[in-house]
Amino acid sequence: AQSVTQLGSHVSVSEGALVLLRCNYSSSVPPYLFWYVQYPNQGLQLLLKYTTGATLVKGINGFEAEFKKSETSFHLTKPSAHMSDAAEYFCAVSGSFLTGGGNKLTFGTGTQLKVEL
Amino acid sequence: DGGITQSPKYLFRKEGQNVTLSCEQNLNHDAMYWYRQDPGQGLRLIYYSQIVNDFQKGDIAEGYSVSREKKESFPLTVTSAQKNPTAFYLCASSTHTGELFFGEGSRLTVL
Repeated sequence: AQSVTQLGSHVSVSEGALVLLRCNYSSSVPPYLFWYVQYPNQGLQLLLKYTTGATLVKGINGFEAEFKKSETSFHLTKPSAHMSDAAEYFCAVSGSFLTGGGNKLTFGTGTQLKVEL
Repeated sequence: DGGITQSPKYLFRKEGQNVTLSCEQNLNHDAMYWYRQDPGQGLRLIYYSQIVNDFQKGDIAEGYSVSREKKESFPLTVTSAQKNPTAFYLCASSTHTGELFFGEGSRLTVL
């Protein structure tokens, strides 16, 4: 079974400051990890994903995340926050793919990012 | 453009009524999903389907039903047996690489 814990349901940063959103996972098999972003009353959009290979993953909008197996973490960072980054961010884990294709993801409870002037 | 279309975006239901949420995709994906989103609870899986005419229950299937008669379509019915149906419902599809693509969501409110 898989689970995801996102530390901090609300995070507030100043524009231009570092963004750090925390995600810890639990998985009985090598995990596939994802970060999604959601703007109000919209669906989720993929920011980045880790499957295999390089542990530092770069995504869209300047975000990146590092897979640390020893710490079971996949924290999301961005060097300099922009007002447009204000949204809700979800970390997700998948332990294995469905035999018929597809992927059952387990989502964290989300972190609301606020960016202040 | 390729994507997932959910309708309606907003829906109001009286207690005791069944309602059906539509989800259509033109991405040629085999797998489709329905998630429910409540504030502070993240996304919870209701049903998923890997192939036409086959679907499986997710974590919170009670009070919901689905069908998968066409590859492109995966409608969700919220039945009167669902005790707390007010929520934001998200439909998704995925490729074999595991990435999920989401629709814009449908917000259901019970009056």
